[in-house]
Amino acid sequence: EPEVTQTPSHQVTQMGQEVILRCVPISNHLYFYWYRQILGQKVEFLVSFYNNEISEKSEIFDDQFSVERPDGSNFTLKIRSTKLEDSAMYFCASSAGIGEQFFGPGTRLTVL
Amino acid sequence: LAKTTQPISMDSYEGQEVNITCSHNNIATNDYITWYQQFPSQGPRFIIQGYKTKVTNEVASLFIPADRKSSTLSLPRVSLSDTAVYYCLVGDLSGSARQLTFGSGTQLTVLP
Repeated sequence: EPEVTQTPSHQVTQMGQEVILRCVPISNHLYFYWYRQILGQKVEFLVSFYNNEISEKSEIFDDQFSVERPDGSNFTLKIRSTKLEDSAMYFCASSAGIGEQFFGPGTRLTVL
Repeated sequence: LAKTTQPISMDSYEGQEVNITCSHNNIATNDYITWYQQFPSQGPRFIIQGYKTKVTNEVASLFIPADRKSSTLSLPRVSLSDTAVYYCLVGDLSGSARQLTFGSGTQLTVLP
């Protein structure tokens, strides 16, 4: 069964450093998403991406965040200057269209 | 976005049927009802989606009354591995914005 993959599974970084979280969506999917979940809290939408551009973004997705689809398979989330409060699980998801979104296993980001 | 209300937690025993009800009094005409499951440190996983009446798949059933102001996820004969958080989501899937808005969910604990 096809699945969304994410790397790394755990990323530890110093405050102020840049991090790039990587995702490989399901190959025939057209819509890509990033969500995050701070420990013990709700899953929060960050951004959706379609046709090589951002479709929608939340208030969380400020100028420190960016997304890119550098090639035909990868979908990345970059945080330019990490803050302590960026520590969370980051989930990538993809969908073929309307309906089910398939989530990856997540990257646990720890900012020290 | 329609606000959803569901119990914070539920306990059940192995082999029992579990029904989790979600209230969404201000559901809009174009809104669908979707349920996701999340295990600790994993991404959410789609369970079932419906618009009205009853939908059944290999893992669950979804009951939606005629007024659509609530919905019930039914899990037949639960096992210990069904212990997870279950989220009820309500939203319009017809537009370009397909962000999922997660609430706090229902923590289901299946006891032996």
